[in-house]
Amino acid sequence: KQEVTQIPAALSVPEGENLVLNCSFTDSAIYNLQWFRQDPGKGLTSLLLIQSSQREQTSGRLNASLDKSSGRSTLYIAASQPGDSATYLCAVTPLRGYSTLTFGKGTMLLVSP
Amino acid sequence: DVKVTQSSRYLVKRTGEKVFLECVQDMDHENMFWYRQDPGLGLRLIYFSYDVKMKEKGDIPEGYSVSREKKERFSLILESASTNQTSMYLCASSPEIAGTLYEQYFGPGTRLTVT
Repeated sequence: KQEVTQIPAALSVPEGENLVLNCSFTDSAIYNLQWFRQDPGKGLTSLLLIQSSQREQTSGRLNASLDKSSGRSTLYIAASQPGDSATYLCAVTPLRGYSTLTFGKGTMLLVSP
Repeated sequence: DVKVTQSSRYLVKRTGEKVFLECVQDMDHENMFWYRQDPGLGLRLIYFSYDVKMKEKGDIPEGYSVSREKKERFSLILESASTNQTSMYLCASSPEIAGTLYEQYFGPGTRLTVT
């Protein structure tokens, strides 16, 4: 059964720092990997989706990489801002069968002014 | 933009009541999902549907049922609410491309409290 782990569980940084969030998964037979953002008490907002054939995706200050063979993905946030404070979740879609997401438990990020 | 809406942001129900959570998407997506999210347990899939009147159990279907009579609407039903069903419920939808799921889009969530 696919398991997704996110490290660290929580992270606190001063404004302006560049930071990396990590996601690992146990089964490399994935179709895609998706990074989400969740603000307290709210739903999930999709940030980036990487297909298994891709190595990375970029959107503004965010860059996500995927190394399927080692079962790892990273989300890089450049020049962090207080508005980036949220929980970040990664999720993978399996390659075969009914394709439902398996989520990690998230990294809670706090960016201090 | 894809829009997924849920009928209530906050809901308080009594033990034993029948509870309906409604989800509507406006992008003609084939697939719809219901998750619950609990501290320390993350998001867990309750049920999903890949077509009208079709449903599949997720990881934790016990105590829940679903209904999809129209493509845009997916309902989660708690037949007899219990306190251990107090949780945040999230609905999602996604298109289907080439036989596999593509990006999932989430609603704002319903915070259900069962007393």
